[in-house]
Formats: sequence, C-alpha cells, structure tokens
Amino acid sequence: DAGVTQSPTHLIKTRGQQVTLRCSPKSGHDTVSWYQQALGQGPQFIFQYYEEEERQRGNFPDRFSGHQFPNYSSELNVNALLLGDSALYLCASSPLPGLASTGELFFGEGSRLTVL
Amino acid sequence: SQQGEEDPQALSIQEGENATMNCSYKTSINNLQWYRQNSGRGLVHLILIRSNEREKHSGRLRVTLDTSKKSSSLLITASRAADTASYFCATVASGSARQLTFGSGTQLTVLP
Repeated sequence: DAGVTQSPTHLIKTRGQQVTLRCSPKSGHDTVSWYQQALGQGPQFIFQYYEEEERQRGNFPDRFSGHQFPNYSSELNVNALLLGDSALYLCASSPLPGLASTGELFFGEGSRLTVL
Repeated sequence: SQQGEEDPQALSIQEGENATMNCSYKTSINNLQWYRQNSGRGLVHLILIRSNEREKHSGRLRVTLDTSKKSSSLLITASRAADTASYFCATVASGSARQLTFGSGTQLTVLP
C-alpha cells in the first residue's frame, strides 16, 4: 500500500519563475492538504482540496494555487517566485471524516524548493 | 501563523532517560496531535488526543491535555537514540475539518 508520494523531491528555481509540485495521496484517501515548512519552523497550512475543489485556505497569497484531479492527486502551483518561498512543501492526505477516520494526516516526504 | 509555542525548543538527554516536551495553543480545539519529523523529511503521526480526553498512552508515549490551560505535554519514556527527531504538536480548531495548525517544534537529541 503506497503512502503519500510527492515529486519532485528537490528543485531549484530563480526569482520570478513558476513551479508545480505534485502529490498522490495514500490509497483510499480523497482529501489532500498542502503545507509550507520554512527551515527551523513548523509547517504552515496552505490549502486543502476535496472533491476537486479548494475547501479551506490558509494565509497565503493568490500566487499559491492548486488543483485536484478526479483520481484525487493534486498539484500545488506557485507563481512569481520570491526568495522567501524557499521551503519544504509537504502534502498530506486523509480520508473523509467518519468512522474510518482517526483524524490524523499522512504526510509525504516533501518537495524541497530553493529559490535563487 | 503558528498556533502556539513548544517548550523547550531543544532538548538533549541520555539514552534511557525520559523526555518531556510541552505545547501551548491559543484557540478552542477539536483535537491535538503530535507528529515526529526526522531531519528534513515528512512528518509521522504519533498520537491524537481529543478535547474531551485528559490523558492518552501509546507504547512509550504519554500525552496529556489541559484545555483550561490550553496546553499539552508529550512524554517519551526510556528514550532511544532512534527517537532523535523534531517533535511538533498540531491542533485542529473547533469546526475546522482536519486543518492542522502546528507549533514551532522541539528538537530532541538522544545521546547513546
């Protein structure tokens, strides 16, 4: 049973460029959340997707956008990259709330983005 | 923004000792969770405690929750070198569907 998979694992971009990060959720999960983790900090919530729609959003500018596909996989897009966007981007999946849900999130290994 | 603070920011102990880390938060919560992160990698869920629970155990882990003080503690007993990692508490606010708000983390080093 594959867990949450993310790609790419590392990437380097320059200021002003755009980046797309990809995530496949754990089998049986239909909700995907994205987090940004700066060096030495805790992860910060970017947004959450369920049924191909953005359901919740954290305090991130519109340069951060996402998408969820019918197979539940998801993409995070960041436009007009800034130096401050350098971080580990984590994807997490979870099943629908209910009897099968324990409330925990399952995280991927992350995509480390460096903006020069 | 971070939900709250974890204390201490860094903790260094000898193998076999117990490690205690604390977490404070600011808003009403549905549940509080603890996660572990090995250097620069993904987070692994350790334990979840609901707002109506006061204490929970899982193996060598013991979590307490005091909603009146908006605080939680994680105790790792009989620590091992393999427990070296960063530990984060994360809260799910009341009415928020699985949106986790993380603390700033405690870096635990267990010396062999």
